[in-house]
Amino acid sequence: ILNVEQSPQSLHVQEGDSTNFTCSFPSSNFYALHWYRWETAKSPEALFVMTLNGDEKKKGRISATLNTKEGYSYLYIKGSQPEDSATYLCASLYGNKLVFGAGTILRVKS
Amino acid sequence: GAVVSQHPSWVICKSGTSVKIECRSLDFQATTMFWYRQFPKQSLMLMATSNEGSKATYEQGVEKDKFLINHASLTLSTLTVTSAHPEDSSFYICSARVDNSNTGELFFGEGSRLTVL
Repeated sequence: ILNVEQSPQSLHVQEGDSTNFTCSFPSSNFYALHWYRWETAKSPEALFVMTLNGDEKKKGRISATLNTKEGYSYLYIKGSQPEDSATYLCASLYGNKLVFGAGTILRVKS
Repeated sequence: GAVVSQHPSWVICKSGTSVKIECRSLDFQATTMFWYRQFPKQSLMLMATSNEGSKATYEQGVEKDKFLINHASLTLSTLTVTSAHPEDSSFYICSARVDNSNTGELFFGEGSRLTVL
């Protein structure tokens, strides 16, 4: 059974704090790692798709790293803002199937 | 970015009735769409892969006769929960890729929350 795990389950930070979450996945038969942001009452939106070991991607204040050998990815948010409040999902691609983690809920207080 | 629209957002029905959920790709053609189900505080679980013009591919443990999937056009896939029961109450969400690459990002609908009384 393929299991993608995310930690922490939830996180509350103050505006301006930097934060990071973890996504762990089985490293064998790895194809790609996706990160999505899911705001309440909206559709999940893709942040990053990463395929190469050591890959690092950045979009504004958000960045992600990937270690395919040990099976983990980190998502970093620098200087958190209230609008960053959302559930952050990661998913690992095995064959043609994306296996999702349960998500990390981020709440940023102003 | 590509847009996927899902309808209805909320549905409440009586036990024993059937409910149809639609998933449309508004500005692109989707030969493949994916249907997920999510229980509270759990991850999105893939139910089935919907293939335009052919039968859907169901994940292990998902009843084909309970969850009917039809993908009759390149822009529309439907999920029908037949003879719904309270245990079918859940959040259902569809997604699609713009291209046929397995590594491409998914574009999601807004999701549908089904409550069976």
